[in-house]
Amino acid sequence: EAGVAQSPRYKIIEKRQSVAFWCNPISGHATLYWYQQILGQGPKLLIQFQNNGVVDDSQLPKDRFSAERLKGVDSTLKIQPAKLEDSAVYLCASSLQTSGGADTQYFGPGTRLTVL
Amino acid sequence: AQSVTQLGSHVSVSEGALVLLRCNYSSSVPPYLFWYVQYPNQGLQLLLKYTSAATLVKGINGFEAEFKKSETSFHLTKPSAHMSDAAEYFCAVRGSTLGRLYFGRGTQLTVWP
Repeated sequence: EAGVAQSPRYKIIEKRQSVAFWCNPISGHATLYWYQQILGQGPKLLIQFQNNGVVDDSQLPKDRFSAERLKGVDSTLKIQPAKLEDSAVYLCASSLQTSGGADTQYFGPGTRLTVL
Repeated sequence: AQSVTQLGSHVSVSEGALVLLRCNYSSSVPPYLFWYVQYPNQGLQLLLKYTSAATLVKGINGFEAEFKKSETSFHLTKPSAHMSDAAEYFCAVRGSTLGRLYFGRGTQLTVWP
C-alpha cells in the first residue's frame, strides 16, 4: 500500500515570496491533515479536511495561509506572503475517518521550508 | 482541552539498557493516547496507541506503554535499547471530538554502543 506522498521535499524562498506544497493521501482515506512542525517542537495542526470539506482550521493563519482539497483527494497548502517564522517542516497526514476515536493518522515525509 | 507534557527533551541510554520516555497528559474527556517515532528527514510513524481496551499497550519494535489514569501518564518503555531506536519520540493525545491530535514537544533518544 502506498503511503502519503508529499512534494517538494525541500524548499528555500525569500520572505514575502509565495510557496505551495502538495499532498496525496493514502487511497480511500477520507480525512486529510496539514501540520506545521517548527524545529524543537511537536507538530501543530493547521487544517483538517473531511473529504473536501474543512473540519477544523482554527489554527490556520488565514491572512497568509490557504489550503484546498478539491475532489476530496489530494490537497495543496499555500503560503503568501511567507515570513521568516514560517520556516518549518510541513507534514501531511491522512486517516480513514474522523469524529475522534482511535483511527491512526499516517504521515508523509514532510516538506522542509526555509524562509530567508 | 487536551495537552501533553513530555519530561526530558533528551534521553541517553546504552545499548541493551532500559528505555523509559515519560508522557503526562491533560484531558477533560477520556483520552486516546498515541506514541509516534520520527527518524531524521522522515515523517512520523505510529508506535502504539491506547484506546481504553487495555491499560498495557504493546507496539512495534518491542515498545510498550502503560496507561495510568490516576497519574495521568502514558510512559513508553522498552526493556533493551538497540542502536536503531535512536530517533525522536512524540506523545500525543486526542479527545473524543474531532480528530485533532495534540503533540508533546518530543524526546530525542540517543543510544550509545
